[in-house]
Amino acid sequence: IQLTQSPSSLSASVGDRVTITCRASQGISSYLAWYQQKPGKAPKLLIYAASTLQSGVPSRFSGSGSGTDFTLTISSLQPEDFATYYCQQLNGYPPFTFGPGTTVDIK
Amino acid sequence: EVQLLESGGGLVQPGGSLRLSCAASGFSFSTYAVGWVRQDPGRGLEWVSTISSSGAYTYYVDSVRGRFTISRDNSENTLYLQLNTLRTEDTAIYYCVKDKAVPGTDWYFDLWGRGTLVTVSS
Repeated sequence: IQLTQSPSSLSASVGDRVTITCRASQGISSYLAWYQQKPGKAPKLLIYAASTLQSGVPSRFSGSGSGTDFTLTISSLQPEDFATYYCQQLNGYPPFTFGPGTTVDIK
Repeated sequence: EVQLLESGGGLVQPGGSLRLSCAASGFSFSTYAVGWVRQDPGRGLEWVSTISSSGAYTYYVDSVRGRFTISRDNSENTLYLQLNTLRTEDTAIYYCVKDKAVPGTDWYFDLWGRGTLVTVSS
């Protein structure tokens, strides 16, 4: 299963609403996760099962979608949210592939 | 503190071997599936391998099956990855990861180590 993300990068300002899309090459139900990675750091789990917020993650992050189309939304971008975001599909049997990433930087 | 700490990376020639270790602390290591994810700047993130909590079940991406071996020592709270017959395309940062689910595995990785760099080059 292949994943595509759009856009590959975006520039935004603090306070903006940001939406990132992840599309799977075939249906994956709700078996999708979103990770955030800051430069020089390991990825961090934000959302699992497409829409469930991981413990400790701010509520400005939300996920939606099922089947082949998914979105990650940041309702009001904060300075600490500038990072690269990856989706990962977990449908069926390994390997569970990651998307190519979307980089959010400061406008 | 809940953490994973990798070690063992380095520079190795093609065809060579390395053994990566991951020391876990702050949680009940023997309860969770754990594994490895690697990141190459050119190819992004790639899941490599996972081992069940007991060690009875192991899973590999096709590109490393037969060359890499995952194992764990629950008495030492340590995860290992033996890398043999290394190729230049194995060059990456290798992250140790913990599965979120207990029991079993749901393949969501809720804890990551800082990573260890493996460079395969002549």
